[in-house]
Amino acid sequence: QLQLQESGPGLVKPSETLSLTCTVSGGSISSSSYYWGWIRQPPGKGLEWIGSIYYSGSTYYNPSLKSRVTISVDTSKNQFSLKLSSVTAADTAVYYCARLEPPNNFDYWGQGTLVTVSS
Amino acid sequence: QSALTQPASVSGSPGQSITISCTGTSSDVGGYNYVSWYQQHPGKAPKLMIYDVSNRPSGVSNRFSGSKSGNTASLTISGLQAEDEADYYCSSYTSSSTLAWVFGGGTKLTVL
Repeated sequence: QLQLQESGPGLVKPSETLSLTCTVSGGSISSSSYYWGWIRQPPGKGLEWIGSIYYSGSTYYNPSLKSRVTISVDTSKNQFSLKLSSVTAADTAVYYCARLEPPNNFDYWGQGTLVTVSS
Repeated sequence: QSALTQPASVSGSPGQSITISCTGTSSDVGGYNYVSWYQQHPGKAPKLMIYDVSNRPSGVSNRFSGSKSGNTASLTISGLQAEDEADYYCSSYTSSSTLAWVFGGGTKLTVL
């Protein structure tokens, strides 16, 4: 059974960079059949797609976040990562990693991790 | 890239049927048969319920069905049960600027 697990700091200071890693187990991140993505959910609000990556390294970002987002993949560790720079309180959210079966099926999700932006 | 439009809330009694709409544009919902629906219970990760407009993943009850007309997709839940009370989100592939994905704002389903 495929499992995804987010990890990283739960508290980030304003203007700093948020960094999260998603570890995939029970399957290979190098599968040519899937993309991998990050989605966030501010407290009490809806889901927002942040970006997606293919195992080859091809990336796709939400235009509204593109200038601040970097998603990378480490196939040797079966992990992919998210970096979001210059964070503000508006970036406080539960961050989920997920597998994307093209073209539009986020079929496996991590449990999510709450990241709070505060000094 | 704007979020897809969903009603904030819907409600129904046990045994009844409800429908949740999801309105987009010709660049997303209307342009592709790639609409998905997710169920999210409080404090839990979203769960895929419908993909490619009307297909159910293995293990999802056949009480859940999806459809699309023009720029609007719909999720119908028949035979409402208490455990169906949750938030529901639609999602679509979009090519409005580059390869991308967009979610709806979410709908809170209350089972009365």
